[in-house]
Amino acid sequence: AQTVTQSQPEMSVQEAETVTLSCTYDTSESDYYLFWYKQPPSRQMILVIRQEAYKQQNATENRFSVNFQKAAKSFSLKISDSQLGDAAMYFCAYRQGGSEKLVFGKGTKLTVNP
Amino acid sequence: DTEVTQTPKHLVMGMTNKKSLKCEQHMGHRAMYWYKQKAKKPPELMFVYSYEKLSINESVPSRFSPECPNSSLLNLHLHALQPEDSALYLCASSQVRLQDTQYFGPGTRLTVL
Repeated sequence: AQTVTQSQPEMSVQEAETVTLSCTYDTSESDYYLFWYKQPPSRQMILVIRQEAYKQQNATENRFSVNFQKAAKSFSLKISDSQLGDAAMYFCAYRQGGSEKLVFGKGTKLTVNP
Repeated sequence: DTEVTQTPKHLVMGMTNKKSLKCEQHMGHRAMYWYKQKAKKPPELMFVYSYEKLSINESVPSRFSPECPNSSLLNLHLHALQPEDSALYLCASSQVRLQDTQYFGPGTRLTVL
């Protein structure tokens, strides 16, 4: 079974600084998709960024980018110019091609200090 | 528009009550999902509907009964719940193409007394 590991239960960053959240996954499949979701205290899970395993280029969305290392099975999220509104729980998730299931990591709570 | 709506936002019920949670999307998605999330934990998949048919039931107790009346609407009927069922219940939807992203609603906070 696939597993997703987020080794940092909590992280903090100063406003305007850069922070990187770690995620590793375990799979023997070649067709899969990776996601980062953000869940602020308002509770709604919001998609931050997604990466297709077949794409070598790292995905970026404005201040958010990933470092996808397929051989190492690593999928870290970099947040640049951190803002107070970035404070949330961040979940890394894996979805195997052909499966309807999302496998989530345990999450990393990000605090942004003013 | 990537909006999934859920009602009610909060629900308090006794163990003998019957209640329902509602989820709606108008994005043309044909796959819909129910998740249960306990505090400080990731969401756990409960049910998946694909083209209005139940495709996955993650061994959820029968006191939870899902229903998908049409392609835009997903219900979760609750009956004889236990206090340990108190949680945030999240709905999500996606295109049926299995590479597509799931979009989540804001959730219903359920408390069982």
